[in-house]
Amino acid sequence: NAGVTQTPKFQVLKTGQSMTLQCAQDMNHEYMSWYRQDPGMGLRLIHYSVGAGITDQGEVPNGYNVSRSTTEDFPLRLLSAAPSQTSVYFCASNPTGGKDTQYFGPGTRLTVL
Amino acid sequence: DAKTTQPNSMESNEEEPVHLPCNHSTISGTDYIHWYRQLPSQGPEYVIHGLTSNVNNRMASLAIAEDRKSSTLILHRATLRDAAVYYCILVGWGTYKYIFGTGTRLKVLA
Repeated sequence: NAGVTQTPKFQVLKTGQSMTLQCAQDMNHEYMSWYRQDPGMGLRLIHYSVGAGITDQGEVPNGYNVSRSTTEDFPLRLLSAAPSQTSVYFCASNPTGGKDTQYFGPGTRLTVL
Repeated sequence: DAKTTQPNSMESNEEEPVHLPCNHSTISGTDYIHWYRQLPSQGPEYVIHGLTSNVNNRMASLAIAEDRKSSTLILHRATLRDAAVYYCILVGWGTYKYIFGTGTRLKVLA
C-alpha cells in the first residue's frame, strides 16, 4: 500500500491564483481530512469527509473548498489564494473514526506571494 | 470539543525513560486518548491510543489515570530519533474531528 499520498510537494502561487491540492489513499478508509500547519503551530482542521459525497467544515474552512466523489480521493481547492494561506498542508485518512489510527500524508508546502 | 493541556517543551537524556504528561479534565466517556508525534519536516505519525486501560506497544506505553482526566506517554528508552513534537488529542468514538494543540517539543540530549 502507498498509504496517503499528496501532490505537489511544493507550490508557489501568486495572490488571487487558484489551485487544487491532491490527496489520495489506497487503504479504503471512509474518513479523510485536510489540515494546515503554520510555523511553530499545531495542525488545524480545515475540512473533513466521512465518506464519498459527504463533507463538513473543520476549524478553519474559509477560503477552501473540498469534494469527495470517490473513497480514494479528497482534493482541496483554493479558489483565490491569499498570503495568509501560506502554510504546510497535510491530508489524513482513518478507517472508522476515533477508535482507530489516523494516517497522514507527507504534506504540501504552499507559499502565496 | 474537549481540550488537552501539555507542557511546551521537555528534555531527556538519551537512553533514559521519558514521561510526557497530558491533562484533559473535560474528557467525556466516549473520548479516546490519542498520541501522535511529528518529526521535523514530516507529517504526524501515530504513537499510541487508549480509552480506559493502560496500553503498551512497541513504541511506547500509555498510562491513563483512573478518573481519565490525565494521561502520560512513556518512552522507555529515549533515543535521538525520538526528538519530536508530541501531541495528545482527544477523539470521540462517534466523531472524527482531531483537534491538535501545540504539543510538547521533546529534546533528547546525547
